[in-house]
Amino acid sequence: NAGVTQTPKFRILKIGQSMTLQCAQDMNHNYMYWYRQDPGMGLKLIYYSVGAGITDKGEVPNGYNVSRSTTEDFPLRLELAAPSQTSVYFCASSYEGVGPQHFGDGTRLSIL
Amino acid sequence: SQKIEQNSEALNIQEGKTATLTCNYTNYSPAYLQWYRQDPGRGPVFLLLIRENEKEKRKERLKVTFDTTLKQSLFHITASQPADSATYLCALAEDSNYQLIWGAGTKLIIKP
Repeated sequence: NAGVTQTPKFRILKIGQSMTLQCAQDMNHNYMYWYRQDPGMGLKLIYYSVGAGITDKGEVPNGYNVSRSTTEDFPLRLELAAPSQTSVYFCASSYEGVGPQHFGDGTRLSIL
Repeated sequence: SQKIEQNSEALNIQEGKTATLTCNYTNYSPAYLQWYRQDPGRGPVFLLLIRENEKEKRKERLKVTFDTTLKQSLFHITASQPADSATYLCALAEDSNYQLIWGAGTKLIIKP
C-alpha cells in the first residue's frame, strides 16, 4: 500500500529555474494538499484541491501553481525559483475535508 | 492575532513516565484538533482527532484532552518508550473550512 508518493526526494535549483514536484496517492482521496515546512515553523498550506479539476489557494500560494487533472495526481509547479522557496515540501491527502491527512515523505528543495 | 503555540523547547522524559505535551491557541474557534507524529526526514503521521464537543480521546497509550475554555489541548503518552521519541505536531481547523492550521511542534526525547 503506497499511500502518498512524492518525487523527487531532493533537488537543488538555481535561481530563476522552474520545476514540478510530483505527488500521487492511491487511496482514492478527493482532498489533496501541498504544504511547505521551514525550520521552527508550522506547516504552511500552499494550495489544496477538493477533487479533480478543482484547486484553491492556501496561505502562501505566491510563486507556485497547481493542477488536478486526475484524482490521483496533484503536481506543484515552481516558476522562477527564488531562495525564499528553499524548504521541505509535503503533499497530503484525506478522505474527508475534516479528516486525518496522509502525508508523503517530502521533497527537500534548495534554491541557490 | 491568531496563534497556535507548542513548546519550542525539547521535552526530556524518563522511560516509563508519562509525557505531556501542550498546544495552546488564541483567536481561533476550532471545531476539531488533530495530533501528528513526525520523525526526522519523514512526513507527519496522524495520531488522534478530537472534536470541540469531546473532552477526551484515547488510543492505546495515547490520550488527548481539549479544553475550549482554556483554549488548550494536552497530549499524553503513558508508559513512555524511547521509540516514542519524535516531534509531535498539533493542528486545528475551524468549522468554516477544512484548512488545518499547524503548530511548530514539540520535540520529545524519551531517555532509557
